[in-house]
Amino acid sequence: DTGVSQDPRHKITKRGQNVTFRCDPISEHNRLYWYRQTLGQGPEFLTYFQNEAQLEKSRLLSDRFSAERPKGSFSTLEIQRTEQGDSAMYLCASRREGRVTEAFFGQGTRLTVV
Amino acid sequence: AQRVTQPEKLLSVFKGAPVELKCNYSYSGSPELFWYVQYSRQRLQLLLRHISRESIKGFTADLNKGETSFHLKKPFAQEEDSAMYYCALTGSSNTGKLIFGQGTTLQVKP
Repeated sequence: DTGVSQDPRHKITKRGQNVTFRCDPISEHNRLYWYRQTLGQGPEFLTYFQNEAQLEKSRLLSDRFSAERPKGSFSTLEIQRTEQGDSAMYLCASRREGRVTEAFFGQGTRLTVV
Repeated sequence: AQRVTQPEKLLSVFKGAPVELKCNYSYSGSPELFWYVQYSRQRLQLLLRHISRESIKGFTADLNKGETSFHLKKPFAQEEDSAMYYCALTGSSNTGKLIFGQGTTLQVKP
């Protein structure tokens, strides 16, 4: 499968712990997006990168959240001091730059905070 | 405010019946509209976009700027169409970020 891959697929953590998720985009895609999806809702934008630069962050992204894309390839999303409200599916997507290019999604990481 | 509204959480139809999944949007500008689909245990994938004006798997969607709608239609539903459908828009800022609706589950009964 040469699509967007995310790791891990599932993560259960205790409240207060830190977690880190990884996203590997399609190799020629310079744009990478993170979304969060809670039960019964559509995905909500969190942040995006163009190459290694983080160009926009949603107000949903509290100080406990940080995302990086150090070499413009894979990206990590870290949540510090997790809370029960962080339980959600975290989706990564990538696309080539341009208005008409298609975004391809990964299968997501499902986080459960207990 | 930028918003996408899908008023139906669930749409249940019989095989062969017409389908219309509703989508309304709010955006001050010229957005691009998309329909994404998620089949059971699969990832979210693009179904169609308004600029392509194409029919995919028998589905079509017409952008109505006057009514700010982008409803998804298919004349004869098939069981394999059962899935979650999301309407989404991206704005004119060229960031490419998507704003999604809440989604509609389409259930096609035999």
